[in-house]
Amino acid sequence: DADVTQTPRNRITKTGKRIMLECSQTKGHDRMYWYRQDPGLGLRLIYYSFDVKDINKGEISDGYSVSRQAQAKFSLSLESAIPNQTALYFCATSEGTERGYTFGSGTRLTVV
Amino acid sequence: QKEVEQNSGPLSVPEGAIASLNCTYSDRGSQSFFWYRQYSGKSPELIMFIYSNGDKEDGRFTAQLNKASQYVSLLIRDSQPSDSATYLCAGLKAAGNKLTFGGGTRVLVKP
Repeated sequence: DADVTQTPRNRITKTGKRIMLECSQTKGHDRMYWYRQDPGLGLRLIYYSFDVKDINKGEISDGYSVSRQAQAKFSLSLESAIPNQTALYFCATSEGTERGYTFGSGTRLTVV
Repeated sequence: QKEVEQNSGPLSVPEGAIASLNCTYSDRGSQSFFWYRQYSGKSPELIMFIYSNGDKEDGRFTAQLNKASQYVSLLIRDSQPSDSATYLCAGLKAAGNKLTFGGGTRVLVKP
């Protein structure tokens, strides 16, 4: 099983719909992150959490919300999806050292 | 100006040659730097990280950091077709444990 699991892998949704992307990890890391990736723009940080009671906005949090249900679970919600939220979304975890992140496999979201 | 800048490429390299990738950063608060490789449609995977000025070698990869010039590079020696991917440079600030990514450089290794 993957260390960081994202569900769903692919999703097509309609404008205005609410959608949740889920992330779970077995690495025991406290720190979890949500990034989106658009062609040519690299990865941009949406939200991050350093423990269950700590939630922080990233550089592009507008239109998104998150929930840290447990140390191992971090969900990203789009309350009312819009087409420019079409992107590849990655969840990542970190043990807080200078060893970078472990990424999930990604969720490809298309908003039509 | 983005905090971390990379040439988008594509960087075309003959098989067996050295691929040289560059990255510049604007925030002097960034203290560690990471190179990730990402195949199309896949998640980024860590190649190596560097936090001291100078060179760091790991197999066919060498990372170079020059904090005075705010410049990070990655050399791939003996490039193979399997090295064809997008390479992401990322900087880590001492406070916050957040990585800031560049836009990535696409590398094509031609047999």
